[in-house]
Order: sequence, then structure tokens, then C-alpha cells
Amino acid sequence: GAGVSQSPSNKVTEKGKDVELRCDPISGHTALYWYRQRLGQGLEFLIYFQGNSAPDKSGLPSDRFSAERTGESVSTLTIQRTQQEDSAVYLCASSFLGNQPQHFGDGTRLSIL
Amino acid sequence: DAKTTQPPSMDCAEGRAANLPCNHSTISGNEYVYWYRQIHSQGPQYIIHGLKNNETNEMASLIITEDRKSSTLILPHATLRDTAVYYCIVRPPYNQGGKLIFGQGTELSVKP
Repeated sequence: GAGVSQSPSNKVTEKGKDVELRCDPISGHTALYWYRQRLGQGLEFLIYFQGNSAPDKSGLPSDRFSAERTGESVSTLTIQRTQQEDSAVYLCASSFLGNQPQHFGDGTRLSIL
Repeated sequence: DAKTTQPPSMDCAEGRAANLPCNHSTISGNEYVYWYRQIHSQGPQYIIHGLKNNETNEMASLIITEDRKSSTLILPHATLRDTAVYYCIVRPPYNQGGKLIFGQGTELSVKP
């Protein structure tokens, strides 16, 4: 199936380390979104890409968080100097256009020790 | 902040219709109502969306009131696999990015 793919599915790392999370959207989808879901909570928007540009980064919680997208395809979310409060499931979604339904991957579960 | 209000939990008997309500009294004229569900340890799954008219697809029906201040998601014959958290979302128009703002949702338990 050609759904949204995220890797790794689980990541455990020590506080202070940098992590990279990857998202492969559905082929041909121009819009890509990152969300974060803390334990027992709803999803929080982080950043939105249209093509390789990010017109809305308003949800990134601090300058330790950054994201890029290349080739209008793969996106990487990077968290530098991780903190325990960064522990969450990070979810990626893509849509054909920005006004079409978003389809989600199953997320990366990040645990900071 | 989410622009929707949903009951935190609901129960439904297997084989019966599940009717999930949502209030969105501050919805704007160009905002769509979207429904997603999330089964434990999975990403949210798109169910259905609508603007003004009622909508139906293979998963569910969406009934939107005439004043658009509330809506109901209907699962016509609930199964145990429909147990999930259901999110009602008012989505900003595309020219505002179209991001989804999730509330706490309704936890639906389908019981045998």
C-alpha cells in the first residue's frame, strides 16, 4: 500500500542528544504536515509544507525543532538537544493539495531518557 | 484552541448505529467540518468531511445542521473495530494553511 511511511517507528535516546525523524508522504501529495501527540492528549500542529516551502511553522515549540522537505517528497523533523518533555509520538500527514483530506502515518514514538 | 466541543466518551452496542455529536458554534462560512478517528497506537484515520450539505461514504454519514453550528457523525452499524477516539475538527481554509486543530475527541466504546 502507498500510505504515509514514517521511520523509525520507535526511538529511545538520551537527554541532550539530537534526533532525526523521517516522513515519506504519499506519492504526488504536495502538502505535508507534522504533528505531535503527547501521552493521553490530542494532536498538536507543528509545521506545514507546501512543496519544499514551509509557509506555516507556527507550531514548532522552540528553536531546537526544525524541519525540511526536499524534492517535494521526503521530510525530516530534527530535534536538537532533546529534553524529556520532547517525549511524544510525532505524526506526519500528507494531502494532494492543502485543501484535501490529510492522510496520516502511524508516527514515531520518541522516548527521552 | 479547538473550535469544537464533543462529549468525552460514549458507549454503543455492536450492530447499532453510533451517533457522535459535535458543537462548532463559532464556525466560519468557509470552514469545513472534518471527522477523524484514532485507534490505539495508530495515526488518525480520515472518515468524512463536509461544508453545508449532508455527506455519506462507505464509512459513515455526516449530518450538518442548517445553521452549521453542530453536526453528527453516524456509523450505521457499529462493530467492535469501531472502538476508537473520534475527533470532530473545524478546518481553516487552504489559504490559511489548512492545518488540523485537534481537541480531546470522543472515546467511543462499542460493546458486544
